[in-house]
Amino acid sequence: SSELTQDPAVSVALGQTVRITCQGDSLRSYYASWYQQKPGQAPLLVIYGKNNRPSGIPDRFSGSSSGNTASLTITGAQAEDEAVYYCKYRDSSGYHWVFAGGTKLTVL
Amino acid sequence: EVQLVESGGGLVQPGGSLRLSCAASGFTFSSYWMHWVRQAPGKGLVWVSRINSDGSITRYADSVKGRFSISRDNAKNTLYLQMNSLRAEDTAVYYCARARGDYGDYEVAFWGQGTLVTVSS
Repeated sequence: SSELTQDPAVSVALGQTVRITCQGDSLRSYYASWYQQKPGQAPLLVIYGKNNRPSGIPDRFSGSSSGNTASLTITGAQAEDEAVYYCKYRDSSGYHWVFAGGTKLTVL
Repeated sequence: EVQLVESGGGLVQPGGSLRLSCAASGFTFSSYWMHWVRQAPGKGLVWVSRINSDGSITRYADSVKGRFSISRDNAKNTLYLQMNSLRAEDTAVYYCARARGDYGDYEVAFWGQGTLVTVSS
């Protein structure tokens, strides 16, 4: 199975926009999905497919993809958005799902 | 309300076996792909295995293939993970999770709270 890479940590000022990226060859074939995980909690799906938000996810969360890079953008970051964000994708076989290493987002 | 409640975790010696269960409620269990995902203490998420709605299709991460077995009992609304030949590196919280939509191999959208498996002598 192939691998995806994410920056280990990113910070953003309160109310500003931040982009979290995920890179890997499999992203040329499959959309990534994005999960938010806060300490002591189970993960939460925030973006899937081309740019879809599950019910209850604020519209400040959006997704995009270009070439081998998928991005999660938070427009107007809030304090409650501080969390680890994981990119998930299918490998080239389509059989295996893989989570990237996660990006810890700090809201300053 | 979708509820997933894992059980069966605990302390086991290297080389031992353990069976995890996940009791599902609040939805038509037999219509959804189900998954196991694990997270070692302080580490990231790792997909372990998934199974389709009728149990005829199973998939495994390379790290557990041949040692772990996923199954389901749709009459009991329960998902299982049989773990054999356990290693220290299998130590993790194991989450049961449900696909976003029915019948399709969709993203995981609902998670249980997890059960801790510790492999140590």
